[in-house]
Amino acid sequence: KAGVTQTPRYLIKTRGQQVTLSCSPISGHRSVSWYQQTPGQGLQFLFEYFSETQRNKGNFPGRFSGRQFSNSRSEMNVSTLELGDSALYLCASSLLPRPTRATPLHFGNGTRLTVT
Amino acid sequence: SQQGEEDPQALSIQEGENATMNCSYKTSINNLQWYRQNSGRGLVHLILIRSNEREKHSGRLRVTLDTSKKSSSLLITASRAADTASYFCATDEKTSYDKVIFGPGTSLSVIP
Repeated sequence: KAGVTQTPRYLIKTRGQQVTLSCSPISGHRSVSWYQQTPGQGLQFLFEYFSETQRNKGNFPGRFSGRQFSNSRSEMNVSTLELGDSALYLCASSLLPRPTRATPLHFGNGTRLTVT
Repeated sequence: SQQGEEDPQALSIQEGENATMNCSYKTSINNLQWYRQNSGRGLVHLILIRSNEREKHSGRLRVTLDTSKKSSSLLITASRAADTASYFCATDEKTSYDKVIFGPGTSLSVIP
């Protein structure tokens, strides 16, 4: 079974631009979570989707948004990019829906975003 | 603030030694997980322990959970150079089933 696929792997953008990152979960997984990882802040939760609905959101500004499609694929968008948005963006999928969370997250290898 | 906090932040040991990492958290949880991350890659799930369990083993890994102290430990026995990575604990609060929160991680270096 294929793992979680994130595209693109690397991205370089300029301040003020916007970017869209894509995540394809493991087949059969309907929950997708997004995380931002930086050396200073570690892994920060962005949001989680299940069945095209955002179930929970982290403490990020409205410039960060996401969505999930009917095939469970997910995208996240960052508008008006800032230098501080440079990070590794990780997507993870899991098998079981809420309320049970006793299954692991399966991560992709991330998209490395550099904002100049 | 983050739910989980690992200790120590960095650990350097010789191959063959045991490595112990600790994790503390703040609120009641459903379960606690440990993940490993090799440099620049995604995280890999190692082990999950439920809130009603006290100890769990998987190969060279041993995880303990003390819900009264809100803490967990990960022990890697007979470490290998390939164990060099960052290790994260992750928790989901009982009040929020959809959000898994990660600690800052422990960077482990195993010297051959």
